[in-house]
Amino acid sequence: GENVEQHPSTLSVQEGDSAVIKCTYSDSASNYFPWYKQELGKRPQLIIDIRSNVGEKKDQRIAVTLNKTAKHFSLHITETQPEDSAVYFCAASRNSGYALNFGKGTSLLVTP
Amino acid sequence: DAMVIQNPRYQVTQFGKPVTLSCSQTLNHNVMYWYQQKSSQAPKLLFHYYDKDFNNEADTPDNFQSRRPNTSFCFLDIRSPGLGDAAMYLCATNIGRGGRFKNEQFFGPGTRLTVL
Repeated sequence: GENVEQHPSTLSVQEGDSAVIKCTYSDSASNYFPWYKQELGKRPQLIIDIRSNVGEKKDQRIAVTLNKTAKHFSLHITETQPEDSAVYFCAASRNSGYALNFGKGTSLLVTP
Repeated sequence: DAMVIQNPRYQVTQFGKPVTLSCSQTLNHNVMYWYQQKSSQAPKLLFHYYDKDFNNEADTPDNFQSRRPNTSFCFLDIRSPGLGDAAMYLCATNIGRGGRFKNEQFFGPGTRLTVL
């Protein structure tokens, strides 16, 4: 089955700096890669996703890059703000299936 | 305009006492999922339904069962809760058809289960 590795497990940055979270996956058939943000006690919320026919996608301060050959994808947050503090999960899924395989999460702390 | 609704939000049960968690959706999505999320861990898929077709994950304990009586509702039954079953239980949906939003999952707010 699919195995998604996520690093780092914790990340602390100062407000205004950039944050990068990296994930690797094992199943070459995976072609959908979402990122979820989960604040304490709340539901995971989709913040950005990318499909394997695209190498990069950007939405304001958030961007995701995908390297299919190397089987890794990354989340980039620029100009971080304290409200970006949360746990971020990457995931991978096949087009033919409906299950998401999650990474173990990264706890991001943005200090003022 | 809540889309995925879970009830109750907090559930306390006793060790071994059966409990049922409820999920409903107004999205008319074909796929519904149940995840278990323990503290500081990723959501772990227990099972999902594609319409009425039930798909169990290989490592989901027999203690966990699910029912989907119609498109809108899905239930998680824990037959004999143990202390290790205390967790947040998340319901999610997926449109389950082709198109732009295929694969995207929408999560409910979760039910936090405490086992005494």
